Amino acid sequence: NAGVMQNPRHLVRRRGQEARLRCSPMKGHSHVYWYRQLPEEGLKFMVYLQKENIIDESGMPKERFSAEFPKEGPSILRIQQVVRGDSAAYFCASSPRAGADEDTQYFGPGTRLTVL
Amino acid sequence: AQSVTQPDIHITVSEGASLELRCNYSYGATPYLFWYVQSPGQGLQLLLKYFSGDTLVQGIKGFEAEFKRSQSSFNLRKPSVHWSDAAEYFCAYTSGSARQLTFGSGTQLTVLP
Repeated sequence: NAGVMQNPRHLVRRRGQEARLRCSPMKGHSHVYWYRQLPEEGLKFMVYLQKENIIDESGMPKERFSAEFPKEGPSILRIQQVVRGDSAAYFCASSPRAGADEDTQYFGPGTRLTVL
Repeated sequence: AQSVTQPDIHITVSEGASLELRCNYSYGATPYLFWYVQSPGQGLQLLLKYFSGDTLVQGIKGFEAEFKRSQSSFNLRKPSVHWSDAAEYFCAYTSGSARQLTFGSGTQLTVLP
């Protein structure tokens, strides 16, 4: 059973460009979460999605950031007009919809975004 | 505000020694508690979790943690540390209904030969 997959693992962008981060949840998982790990700030929740629905985006910056989890395909975290402060590790996690494990999140390897 | 505190930023132990990493939470009801480990440049691996029931939980890699409601603590322990345990350890909680994980600031573990 493959784990959570994220790509790319490393992404370099220049200021003003767009960054697209992809996350494929574990097989059988229908809930996806995005977290950001900034130096000196730790791991912070960004957004929680189910298929075609944003459930909780209370941790998302108000501008330039968006997320989706379409019916088919991976979840996408999109950052428009990146700035240097967006440089961080972005982690995706997934959990099943129901069952004994529904409150347990399994993490992917992360995408390290560097903004030049 | 609800929070998780890991009071030790960095801990150094010798290989073969015992280990205890501290975690305190601030939450009205009983939270769901987790310990994750992160090796450099890697993602987070779940070590163990506590939802309810037996307050001593066993995890992978020989780790265990004990939930103590009276102390609002969920400390991680290992009787004998291996060099491969060197990593950063995160305590986290969720209220269940809220789903999002709130993480502590992490404890960096160094293991001396």
